[in-house]
Amino acid sequence: DGGITQSPKYLFRKEGQNVTLSCEQNLNHDAMYWYRQDPGQGLRLIYYSQIVNDFQKGDIAEGYSVSREKKESFPLTVTSAQKNPTAFYLCASRLDRADYGYTFGSGTRLTVV
Amino acid sequence: DAKTTQPTSMDCAEGRAANLPCNHSTISGNEYVYWYRQIHSQGPQYIIHGLKNNETNEMASLIITEDRKSSTLILPHATLRDTAVYYCIVKGRNTDKLIFGTGTRLQVFP
Repeated sequence: DGGITQSPKYLFRKEGQNVTLSCEQNLNHDAMYWYRQDPGQGLRLIYYSQIVNDFQKGDIAEGYSVSREKKESFPLTVTSAQKNPTAFYLCASRLDRADYGYTFGSGTRLTVV
Repeated sequence: DAKTTQPTSMDCAEGRAANLPCNHSTISGNEYVYWYRQIHSQGPQYIIHGLKNNETNEMASLIITEDRKSSTLILPHATLRDTAVYYCIVKGRNTDKLIFGTGTRLQVFP
């Protein structure tokens, strides 16, 4: 079945370490997105990519980096510059700009200790 | 910033209709109203969207007022599995970003 796979589901890291969250989709979607969700809050956009080798900052990009070397993959690196990295991270994709339905992954819960 | 206003929480008895309101008084002519829901610790799920006409699919109905400043999502026969946070989002069809507010937490009780 087609879908978005985020791994791992839970991730623990020590403060000051960089960590990379995986997001893979086999839907042949052009656009991919990363969101962050804090407890009791809505989702906030970190980065998004419309095509391979191109991406744009969202509303809270500071302390994060991404790459889009392949259409199906959009990894997110949480760097040591991110002051409060503990959160629930969600990856999404959609076919193109005319597509109304975003498909979301099941998320990665990152805890920094 | 989110361009919608929703109640923080609502309750609904199982089997009854759940009516979730949303205000979007600053919506522009080319912007659609989208509804997503998020069950605890999962990714959001698309429900329905509309521009100005009422819409219905297998999951829900969307009623948009004539002036388009507000809408209501209707789950006709709520079940316990409909307990979730429901997000009302306004977005242009060809814009890139889906901006989420804090949504409405719907609790369906037996």
